[in-house]
Amino acid sequence: AQSVTQPDIHITVSEGASLELRCNYSYGATPYLFWYVQSPGQGLQLLLKYFSGDTLVQGIKGFEAEFKRSQSSFNLRKPSVHWSDAAEYFCAVGSLRGNEKLTFGTGTRLTIIP
Amino acid sequence: ETGVTQTPRHLVMGMTNKKSLKCEQHLGHNAMYWYKQSAKKPLELMFVYNFKEQTENNSVPSRFSPECPNSSHLFLHLHTLQPEDSALYLCASSQGTDNEQFFGPGTRLTVL
Repeated sequence: AQSVTQPDIHITVSEGASLELRCNYSYGATPYLFWYVQSPGQGLQLLLKYFSGDTLVQGIKGFEAEFKRSQSSFNLRKPSVHWSDAAEYFCAVGSLRGNEKLTFGTGTRLTIIP
Repeated sequence: ETGVTQTPRHLVMGMTNKKSLKCEQHLGHNAMYWYKQSAKKPLELMFVYNFKEQTENNSVPSRFSPECPNSSHLFLHLHTLQPEDSALYLCASSQGTDNEQFFGPGTRLTVL
């Protein structure tokens, strides 16, 4: 069975500081990996995704993530956070077959302090 | 309208009421999903529809009844709900084999 672990429930960083959100997955084959962001009262917005190829993927809003197969990780990074990045971040893993379920982590809530 | 829309955005209902949530996707996708998001829990997949056919029911109680009349519309009919059903209900859609799902803003449901 596939699973996703986001070990950090809540992270606080200062505006302008760098950010890394951790994600570990368990999946029996080549995974499709996603990072979504959810602002309060909103749905989920896709930040980036990894299917194959270059293990460092670039997303929207200056985010990037690196797929490390040996560590079963897909950590999200941003070199300098902005106050508008405060939100909840979800990592998800899916199958190579289309239209099948994504398994989500429990999320990491990001707080930005001035 | 663009993307995935959901109505209503907020709903308060008693345990004996019957109500419906509506989702519409304007992306030409062929699959639609209902998720439940409760505080401090991962998103829970409830139902999946592919080309209007239900392909997954994730052990959801029968007081939740989905309906997918076409590839663009998805409903969740609610009856005799319990207070623990209070949550944010998210609709999503996808197309093709890359499994990228596009989410609506959700309906915040409160059951009294």
